[in-house]
Amino acid sequence: NAGVTQTPKFQVLKTGQSMTLQCAQDMNHNSMYWYRQDPGMGLRLIYYSASEGTTDKGEVPNGYNVSRLNKREFSLRLESAAPSQTSVYFCASTNLRAGETYEQYFGPGTRLTVT
Amino acid sequence: LAKTTQPISMDSYEGQEVNITCSHNNIATNDYITWYQQFPSQGPRFIIQGYKTKVTNEVASLFIPADRKSSTLSLPRVSLSDTAVYYCLVGPNNNDMRFGAGTRLTVKP
Repeated sequence: NAGVTQTPKFQVLKTGQSMTLQCAQDMNHNSMYWYRQDPGMGLRLIYYSASEGTTDKGEVPNGYNVSRLNKREFSLRLESAAPSQTSVYFCASTNLRAGETYEQYFGPGTRLTVT
Repeated sequence: LAKTTQPISMDSYEGQEVNITCSHNNIATNDYITWYQQFPSQGPRFIIQGYKTKVTNEVASLFIPADRKSSTLSLPRVSLSDTAVYYCLVGPNNNDMRFGAGTRLTVKP
């Protein structure tokens, strides 16, 4: 059981380049999330997907697109990277069921630098 | 969404009990209180969640007064490995839970 996996672990981009961050979970969770964490700050929600085929904007969606490819995979795309998108990106997943504890499981993160 | 306020940082010593308080004056009736722990270069990890009164698990206790306008995470007998950032989240257990800046706990020998 690998939990939540993310690729790549590190990436350096030039301004204007595009890339896709990959996330997969093997816990059969319905909900998946993408967060960014800037140095010394808390996590901010970029997008989430409540179920396969659905996605919704979070707190900071501008400059990003997402795809919920299937139940396991949720990707984050930067179409034209900017230095302001330099951050650590975390993917998370959970099952939301009424009356149950809401616990997100996080991946190890992708450290992205845009020069 | 309920706004949360936590101390920016705290220091403690090994073996002591640590209490981290989170203020959430505008908590809604259907909001839960959840705490996460984050070590450097890792994703956050769930610690505990509660709605009212006291919740305890093998890692921590969560104390919530009757008015629910604050909560206290209690870590018994901390060790150096408890040095981390602790986040308090308040929300209705939906997909839009927000992390604040957290409390940076440093445990000293």
